[in-house]
This record gives sequence, C-alpha cells and structure tokens, in this order.
Amino acid sequence: DADVTQTPRNRITKTGKRIMLECSQTKGHDRMYWYRQDPGLGLRLIYYSFDVKDINKGEISDGYSVSRQAQAKFSLSLESAIPNQTALYFCATQWAGAGTDTQYFGPGTRLTVL
Amino acid sequence: GDSVTQMEGPVTLSEEAFLTINCTYTATGYPSLFWYVQYPGEGLQLLLKATKADDKGSNKGFEATYRKETTSFHLEKGSVQVSDSAVYFCALVDAGNNRKLIWGLGTSLAVNP
Repeated sequence: DADVTQTPRNRITKTGKRIMLECSQTKGHDRMYWYRQDPGLGLRLIYYSFDVKDINKGEISDGYSVSRQAQAKFSLSLESAIPNQTALYFCATQWAGAGTDTQYFGPGTRLTVL
Repeated sequence: GDSVTQMEGPVTLSEEAFLTINCTYTATGYPSLFWYVQYPGEGLQLLLKATKADDKGSNKGFEATYRKETTSFHLEKGSVQVSDSAVYFCALVDAGNNRKLIWGLGTSLAVNP
C-alpha cells in the first residue's frame, strides 16, 4: 500500500463550489505539505504543517485553507473554487528529525474548475 | 533568498544517448541538494541527493556532484532509456526558512527508441 495517499485522484467542479482534497500518510511523519503544480511554474507551496497545532501559509495560500485533523491527515479546501485554481495538487510528508530533509509525495489530485 | 535554476526543457534524446540536465543554485551556506523525478501520472519521488560539497549522489544510473565552486548540481546519465522519460526537478533545503525545499521549475525529458 502507498505510504502517502490522496483523494480524489481527479475532480471536475464548477466555479464557486467548495472542494476538499484529502491526504493521508502511514509514514508517521510530523511534517506535511500541500503544493500545486502548473505547467512552466514548477511546484508552489500552498500550506505546510509541522504538527497538528502548527500550520503555516506558503507562498500562494490565498483562496485555500487547510485542516490537520491528525498527524496522519492533512486536508486542503478551496472555499469557492475559481478556474485559475485548475492544477495538479500534491501532498508531501517529511520526517522532522535532524539530518534528513527528504519529502515523500502522494500521487496527486488533478483538479479542473470550469 | 535562496533559489534554484535548472535548464529549460523539453529535452529530447534518443535511447542510449548521454544526458545532462543543468542545475545551479543560490544559497547562504551549503544546503543539501536533491534531484526528484516525476514519471507520467505519478507524484514526485527522490532520485538522489547530496548533503555536502563534493558529495556525489547516485541512483538508477543517474549521478550528480555537489560543486560549491560553481554552485551547481548537474544531473547526468551515461545511457538513457525510454523509461527515463519524465520531468526532473532540482531542489535545495532552505536552512534559514524552516528547512523547506526550494524547487527548480522542472525539466521535461523525452527519450525516443
């Protein structure tokens, strides 16, 4: 079974709808991240969380919110989706221990906002 | 702030050709450096990394050497295969900013049989 899972894998929605993307991990990592990927723009950080009570904005948090329900779960919400939020969204995890900075990614959610 | 610059793609090669994807960085100190690979329809996965100057990371026939003199971490492979077709991302750890990863924009590689 995959260590980092994302649901749904694909979603098509309409402008103005509320959407939640979910991420779960079995790696036992404290740190979790949400990125979006757009062609030609690479990966951009939306939000990140170092533990259940520590949530931080990334470089493009406007229009998004997150919830860290447990160490293993980190959800991303679009309160009122707009077409320019059409993108590929990735969740990633990272162990907080010293000496390692590797992030582990889920398979992604492809979101289309019409 | 810290940044990563990698060569633009797409890169198109024939099978068994030599691959180089350039990556240079700007950072204070000597951050750990990474190459990640994204195969079609998948998430990113770590390909290799180097944590200090002159270290060489290697995996699956790919190599990259941490060069502090030229602030570079170029990815190389001596003989590419069709299965190497993917997007490759260079990244560094921003030690002064909660150890977040700073990403290059990615380089798409297509290998033709």
